[in-house]
This record gives sequence, structure tokens and C-alpha cells, in this order.
Amino acid sequence: AQKITQTQPGMFVQEKEAVTLDCTYDTSDQSYGLFWYKQPSSGEMIFLIYQGSYDEQNATEGRYSLNFQKARKSANLVISASQLGDSAMYFCAMRPPRGSSNTGKLIFGQGTTLQVKP
Amino acid sequence: EPEVTQTPSHQVTQMGQEVILRCVPISNHLYFYWYRQILGQKVEFLVSFYNNEISEKSEIFDDQFSVERPDGSNFTLKIRSTKLEDSAMYFCASRRDGLFYGYTFGSGTRLTVV
Repeated sequence: AQKITQTQPGMFVQEKEAVTLDCTYDTSDQSYGLFWYKQPSSGEMIFLIYQGSYDEQNATEGRYSLNFQKARKSANLVISASQLGDSAMYFCAMRPPRGSSNTGKLIFGQGTTLQVKP
Repeated sequence: EPEVTQTPSHQVTQMGQEVILRCVPISNHLYFYWYRQILGQKVEFLVSFYNNEISEKSEIFDDQFSVERPDGSNFTLKIRSTKLEDSAMYFCASRRDGLFYGYTFGSGTRLTVV
């Protein structure tokens, strides 16, 4: 069974510094997708970045980058130049591969709460 | 940018009452999902819906839950007889077909059962 693990319940970072949020996953599949979502205190889920298992380059989206290490089954989110508005809960999620039973559901980790200090 | 719209944003209901949570997915999306998040906890999959039928459901999605897409635009989640432990944030999501599935989440409905 697939599983996502986020081992950092809470993180602090100083404004303007970079921070890495850890995510490891467990799957025996070769084809899968990895996602990061941001959930501010208002509750909505905001898509940040996506990495496909066959993508050779690490995904980047503005200040967000994904440090994808397939052999180690890790997909850490790096936020550069942290801003106060980055304070939120961050979820790593995995989409299992296509298959007869695959409906494309996402499997989420427990989340990491990030606090950016001024 | 297209959005997934959920209504209401917050609902308070008495234990044992029926509730219907509503979602309007993005119009050209083909796959629809409901997730829930108990306060402070991780997001859990409830059910997926494709081609006008349930394609997968989790253990949480028991006989008290049902989903419908009655008119080709709305996608609803019904809880027949709410329990205290149904209190959670419920998210609707939709995606298009393709290698990058492009999930879009709604803003959620916070359900409080009293």
C-alpha cells in the first residue's frame, strides 16, 4: 500500500531564509505523481508544485522547488526567500499510477505547519 | 482561472440530521472527488466519481454517505444521519484527464455536528 510520511509536525524559519519540508513516500510502483499543497489558516488547499516519477529534472515553480530523490523515495519541498504569507500547513501527496483500479485519488501525508518569523 | 466552488462554506447541524454538501467542479474536468479533513489532521480520501458512477470509495464512505451528479454540473455529498465524528472540513476536487491530472480543490465546507 502507498504511504506518505511527513516527519516534521512543525517548522520555524526566519523571513527571507530558505526552508526545506521533508516528505518520504512508500510505493512499489514505478509510475506515480507527487504533489505539494499549501493550506493557510483560512482552510483552502492551494496547489504548489508537481513532480512526475519519470521527470528527470526537479520541478520548480517560482520560489518553490522540489528536491526529488527517487532512489531514496523522498520529495522534499524547498521554499526560498520565505515570506510571512508562507506561514501555513503544507501537505505532501502522492497519486498512484494509472491502472484498472486507479481512480487518481491523492494520498496525503500528515502535514507540516510552517511558521515564518519576521 | 477556473475554480471549484463549494457551498456552504460552513454548516452547523444537529446530530442525526441529513446534510448535503454541494460542489460545482470545473466544467471540462472528468474526475470528481470528496476528501475530508478532521481539524488539524491529514486529508483523507472519501470517494471518487467518474462517468456518472462511483469508481472508488474508502472505508470511511459507509452507507451513511452518498454522492450524486444530478444535473451534469453539481456534485453533491450527502450524509444521511450525521454523527459528532462527521465534524470536519470537506473538500471537493476535480481533475481533467492527462498525464498531469491537474487536481483543483474547492475552498471546503466546514461541517460542525452538535
